[in-house]
Amino acid sequence: AQKITQTQPGMFVQEKEAVTLDCTYDTSDQSYGLFWYKQPSSGEMIFLIYQGSYDEQNATEGRYSLNFQKARKSANLVISASQLGDSAMYFCAMREGWNTGNQFYFGTGTSLTVIP
Amino acid sequence: GAVVSQHPSRVICKSGTSVKIECRSLDFQATTMFWYRQFPKQSLMLMATSNEGSKATYEQGVEKDKFLINHASLTLSTLTVTSAHPEDSSFYICSGVGTVNQPQHFGDGTRLSIL
Repeated sequence: AQKITQTQPGMFVQEKEAVTLDCTYDTSDQSYGLFWYKQPSSGEMIFLIYQGSYDEQNATEGRYSLNFQKARKSANLVISASQLGDSAMYFCAMREGWNTGNQFYFGTGTSLTVIP
Repeated sequence: GAVVSQHPSRVICKSGTSVKIECRSLDFQATTMFWYRQFPKQSLMLMATSNEGSKATYEQGVEKDKFLINHASLTLSTLTVTSAHPEDSSFYICSGVGTVNQPQHFGDGTRLSIL
């Protein structure tokens, strides 16, 4: 089974609108971390937001928020007030356990296009 | 935020050449570093995980003798693609993690083209 599933290969959003990028995960660990990264066409991976499995509140970072539904095992990224510069690939990732050496499992990504 | 410097950003070389890619954590000590390969329009594929001072752990299907990884210090890891061939052409990207509650911080990647 896939550890991270992103079901939206491509998404379009009007500038200034909000958009939700879906991510579901599969783990039997109690301790895990969920991450979202942005990858523009230039290739660099930019860390956006983190949610720990024990965090009770949804993480927020500026225009990014993570809608964490633990029972549903979902960790959707919400981008508010979309900007043209938000056009990029977005990857959801998970690290199981509490060890820096534990690998990150990445989803297949969602390509977001912001329309002016 | 934490910065990882990766260079070179782009390499074009002839088949048979060995290529070294460096990955440095500039403002944190990277307990663990990861090396990924990414094909166009695909996700990152983990190649290996390395802890400072230890041998790297390679993922299944990744040739250890072809992709040499050295993690000599808490701020430097290198990937050497030995005797590179056109099929090794790809985007290689490294990342580092300092403490367990940190995300992986990525370098900007290296586009390797073997002619």
